[in-house]
Amino acid sequence: GENVEQHPSTLSVQEGDSAVIKCTYSDSASNYFPWYKQELGKGPQLIIDIRSNVGEKKDQRIAVTLNKTAKHFSLHITETQPEDSAVYFCAASKGGGGADGLTFGKGTHLIIQP
Amino acid sequence: KAGVTQTPRYLIKTRGQQVTLSCSPISGHRSVSWYQQTPGQGLQFLFEYFSETQRNKGNFPGRFSGRQFSNSRSEMNVSTLELGDSALYLCASSPGLAEYEQYFGPGTRLTVT
Repeated sequence: GENVEQHPSTLSVQEGDSAVIKCTYSDSASNYFPWYKQELGKGPQLIIDIRSNVGEKKDQRIAVTLNKTAKHFSLHITETQPEDSAVYFCAASKGGGGADGLTFGKGTHLIIQP
Repeated sequence: KAGVTQTPRYLIKTRGQQVTLSCSPISGHRSVSWYQQTPGQGLQFLFEYFSETQRNKGNFPGRFSGRQFSNSRSEMNVSTLELGDSALYLCASSPGLAEYEQYFGPGTRLTVT
């Protein structure tokens, strides 16, 4: 089955700096790669996603890049703010409508230092 | 639109008991998936339902089961609870077959003593 590796497990950055979280996947048939943000006591919140026919996607301060050949994808957060502090998860799947299930990375605890 | 709702939010059960958790998807969404989240194993896929049919199942024992009703609401059941079943159980809904995005509810925190 699919295996998703996520690094680093903890990332501390100064407010205003950029943060980058990286993930690799094993199954070349995976075609959908979402990123989730989870705050304490809440469920994961979908923040951005990318499909395998696209190399990069941006939404304001957040961007995701995908390298299908190398089977890795990354989350980039620019101009970090205190409210960006949370645990971020990458995931991969190869089915629509959740049929195949999402395989998640272990998460990155992002800490924004004031 | 209201988000995914899960009830109850917290549960404490004893080993050997069974438990039923409920999930109401976003209005209009027809696919419901369940995930287990633990500190050690992270987020793991349990199963997915679409139009009252289970389409896929993760690597969990048969003690974990679920169902979906005609209004897309879903329940999951865990029988003969073990200490290791203590976890946050998350429900996610998706619009349908051709849609990839999954939206999570707040989860049910199950503690088995």
